Amino acid sequence: EVQLVESGGGLVQPGGSLRLSCAASGFTFSSYWMHWVRQAPGKGLVWVSRIISDGSGTIYADSVKGRFAISRDNAKNTLYLQMNSLRAEDTAVYYCTRDRGGAAVDIWGQGTLVTVSS
Amino acid sequence: QSALTQPASVSGSPGQSITISCTGTSSDVGGYNYVSWYQQHPGKAPKLMIYEVSNRPSGVSHRFSGSKSGNTASLTISGLQAEDEADYYCCSHTSSSARVFGGGTKLTVL
Repeated sequence: EVQLVESGGGLVQPGGSLRLSCAASGFTFSSYWMHWVRQAPGKGLVWVSRIISDGSGTIYADSVKGRFAISRDNAKNTLYLQMNSLRAEDTAVYYCTRDRGGAAVDIWGQGTLVTVSS
Repeated sequence: QSALTQPASVSGSPGQSITISCTGTSSDVGGYNYVSWYQQHPGKAPKLMIYEVSNRPSGVSHRFSGSKSGNTASLTISGLQAEDEADYYCCSHTSSSARVFGGGTKLTVL
C-alpha cells in the first residue's frame, strides 16, 4: 500500500524549532518529487515547499523562505522539514505529499499538527 | 504568491450540476496547463480529483470534470450526490516553479 506517515509535530514556543519527518512506503520514494503543504485550523491549503527526486533542487513559499528547509534521505525513504524561527502563524497541520507530475500531488499523509504558542 | 480566487461557497440539489471557478493570472493558471483540483472532507486529508486541467485519476467518478479558459479554471460536478459535500481546492504551477492553492470552496448539497 502506498503510504506517507508524518511525525514530529507538537507544541513549540515562538522562535523555536521543530523537525517534521515523513516516512514513505509502498512506492519507489527516490523517483518522486515531494512537497509539504500546510493547513491552519479552519483555513485553506497552503503550499510550503518542494524538493526534487535526488534532493538537489528545492523551492519555498515566500512566507517560510529562510526559516524552513526541506530535505530527504532516499536511503531511508524519508522526507524532512526543518522549521526554525517559528511564528504563531505557522500553526497548522502539515501534510507530506507526493508529486505525480503535471504539478499535481496524488498521495497525502494524514498530517501532523504544529502549534506555535507560548 | 497570492492565493488563487475561488468562491467561498456554492450549493446545489442532488442530481444538479455545479461549477466552481478558480481565477489566477497569466503567471499561474493562464500560463500553464497545470491546474489540479482537490476534495477534502472534514477531518480528512485532501484527495486529488483532477490534474492537468481536465484529467481524472483512476478511481475518480466521471461526474467530475475540469476545464480552463484564460486565467480561470473550473471544476464541474454533475449529478450531485450527498457524498460530494466537501471543500474543494484548486492548485496551479507558477512561473517561479512554485505552487499556489486557491482559498477553497465549500460545497453544500441541499
